[in-house]
Amino acid sequence: RKEVEQDPGPFNVPEGATVAFNCTYSNSASQSFFWYRQDCRKEPKLLMSVYSSGNEDGRFTAQLNRASQYISLLIRDSKLSDSATYLCVVSTSGSARQLTFGSGTQLTVLP
Amino acid sequence: DADVTQTPRNRITKTGKRIMLECSQTKGHDRMYWYRQDPGLGLRLIYYSFDVKDINKGEISDGYSVSRQAQAKFSLSLESAIPNQTALYFCATEDRSSYEQYFGPGTRLTVT
Repeated sequence: RKEVEQDPGPFNVPEGATVAFNCTYSNSASQSFFWYRQDCRKEPKLLMSVYSSGNEDGRFTAQLNRASQYISLLIRDSKLSDSATYLCVVSTSGSARQLTFGSGTQLTVLP
Repeated sequence: DADVTQTPRNRITKTGKRIMLECSQTKGHDRMYWYRQDPGLGLRLIYYSFDVKDINKGEISDGYSVSRQAQAKFSLSLESAIPNQTALYFCATEDRSSYEQYFGPGTRLTVT
């Protein structure tokens, strides 16, 4: 089982649609959670950190469920520019901490 | 100017050659990382460094070595390149308080 698993995708949605991505992680010691966005052949860029109480940034909402070891990202009113691969990232804490990246979910927003 | 830069951006080399990929950052972060990305596998950690005197192996360090020459510089070397090291390589820095990482533009390496 992969340490971080994401919806396989790809997701093809029309402009204006709402789309949700899910991610599960296996290490119960994980402490920090993130969503990164990666455009084709470009570097990953931080989209948002995920907090225990859930957090929102404009059209993007992230949720964390520690009991189920589950993270989600909701994108409302999709734009063409949202087309990218979304990476779920999980980190433990302490001196031996490492980030573990999911394989990503590809989103294409269609006109 | 970009906060994290990588050189070269593209490189084609032959099997058995030694190659060095360089990374520089102006973010002032102590922590730096090297990852490789292969299609369908996501990013995998090669080496990481929490300061100039600290070097740690990641998930896939075999066949690679690193050098942390200064806080701002972290180099990755392939001592004897092989074709399955063909991949996209990313350097990243990390904010130690938030754990947020900032990536360079990547180096596309092809080993023939």
